[in-house]
Amino acid sequence: EPEVTQTPSHQVTQMGQEVILRCVPISNHLYFYWYRQILGQKVEFLVSFYNNEISEKSEIFDDQFSVERPDGSNFTLKIRSTKLEDSAMYFCASRGEDTQYFGPGTRLTVL
Amino acid sequence: AQSVTQLGSHVSVSEGALVLLRCNYSSSVPPYLFWYVQYPNQGLQLLLKYTTGATLVKGINGFEAEFKKSETSFHLTKPSAHMSDAAEYFCAVSDGSYGNNRLAFGKGNQVVVIP
Repeated sequence: EPEVTQTPSHQVTQMGQEVILRCVPISNHLYFYWYRQILGQKVEFLVSFYNNEISEKSEIFDDQFSVERPDGSNFTLKIRSTKLEDSAMYFCASRGEDTQYFGPGTRLTVL
Repeated sequence: AQSVTQLGSHVSVSEGALVLLRCNYSSSVPPYLFWYVQYPNQGLQLLLKYTTGATLVKGINGFEAEFKKSETSFHLTKPSAHMSDAAEYFCAVSDGSYGNNRLAFGKGNQVVVIP
C-alpha cells in the first residue's frame, strides 16, 4: 500500500540554524500539506500546496518557513532560522480525493 | 473556520468494555469529519471518515462513528476494547469540497486499556 515517507525521523539543530524536512508524498496525489504538533498540544495546520504553489497558509507559517517541490517526488519544508519554539513533530500529508494520508513525522529539536 | 472539541484528554477503559470518544465540531460549511489514531512513535493513521451519504460509518479495527448534524457531533465507538486499542485518537474536521481541505484537529484522547 502506498504511503507517505519523511526524512529524517529525528533532527537536532542549534537555534538560528536552517533545517530542511523532507517528504515523499503518495505518487498520484496532487495536494500536499505540512502540520506540526508541539508536545502536549494539538496538531496544527501550517501550509497546503497545490500545482507548485502555496494554496493556503496559517498564521504560524511566517517568513521563516518555506515549502518547495523541487522535483516530481519530494516535498520539503525549510525553516530558515530555527527558534526554540519550533521544536515539534512535523507531519507531512498528501491528499487523494477527500482524505489526507500522513507520514510518520520528523521530530525537530532546537537547542 | 472549522474547529473540534474533544473532552477528557485521558480515557481509561477496561478490556472488553465499550470505547466511547466524543467529538463535537464547528463548521460554517458542510464538514468532512475524520478520526485518526496515533500509536506511540508513529504517524497519524486514518480510522474512518464521513464525507457524504450514510451517517454511520465503519472503520478499521472495529471502530465506527455516527455523524449527527443536529448535535454537531461525530462520536467514535467500539463495542469491546482490546489491549491493542491503547493509543491516542484525534478527531478532525475539514471544509470538504469548499476549500483546501485543511484539517482542524481536536486535542486528542489518550486511551488506556485496563486488563
